[in-house]
Amino acid sequence: AQRVTQPEKLLSVFKGAPVELKCNYSYSGSPELFWYVQYSRQRLQLLLRHISRESIKGFTADLNKGETSFHLKKPFAQEEDSAMYYCALRSLSGNTPLVFGKGTRLSVIA
Amino acid sequence: NAGVTQTPKFQVLKTGQSMTLQCAQDMNHNSMYWYRQDPGMGLRLIYYSASEGTTDKGEVPNGYNVSRLNKREFSLRLESAAPSQTSVYFCATRAGAGAEAFFGQGTRLTVV
Repeated sequence: AQRVTQPEKLLSVFKGAPVELKCNYSYSGSPELFWYVQYSRQRLQLLLRHISRESIKGFTADLNKGETSFHLKKPFAQEEDSAMYYCALRSLSGNTPLVFGKGTRLSVIA
Repeated sequence: NAGVTQTPKFQVLKTGQSMTLQCAQDMNHNSMYWYRQDPGMGLRLIYYSASEGTTDKGEVPNGYNVSRLNKREFSLRLESAAPSQTSVYFCATRAGAGAEAFFGQGTRLTVV
């Protein structure tokens, strides 16, 4: 069964502190992992995907197949990073829907 | 280029009433999805349409029906609304396998 686990409902950090949003997954096959972000009163938007290996807005995420994790990291949090973050996965092969975790609300305190 | 448009943005229904949530996309995407977002539950898939003419159940389909009217439009119908269906509903689209998903702005539905 496909499952995405985000253990933290809420994460509060001070501005300038490092951030790590945890995501673990279970999937029997080759998944593609994503992070989506939802800023206040805005629609969900893609932040990054593991295939791209990009750094977006200072965030990075590395797929660790051994630990089945895809944690989102940023070395120095900014106030504008405050948002709801969702980890999601889908199969690398085939046109299958995204499966989302329950989300983590990040609050960056000035 | 509007992307993914949902109507209405807000709706209040009485228990037992019916309504249809509309989703339209101008991105020429093949796949369309309906999710509901609830506090502490994340986004859960209700129904999806991998391509025009096909629909499939997701994780939480009970109480809902869908219609893929054409390539652009994918509607979600509540035949007899219940308070448990109070939620924010998101429509999403994707060109196909390997493509990014794009979301609408959401419909906030309250059933009293």
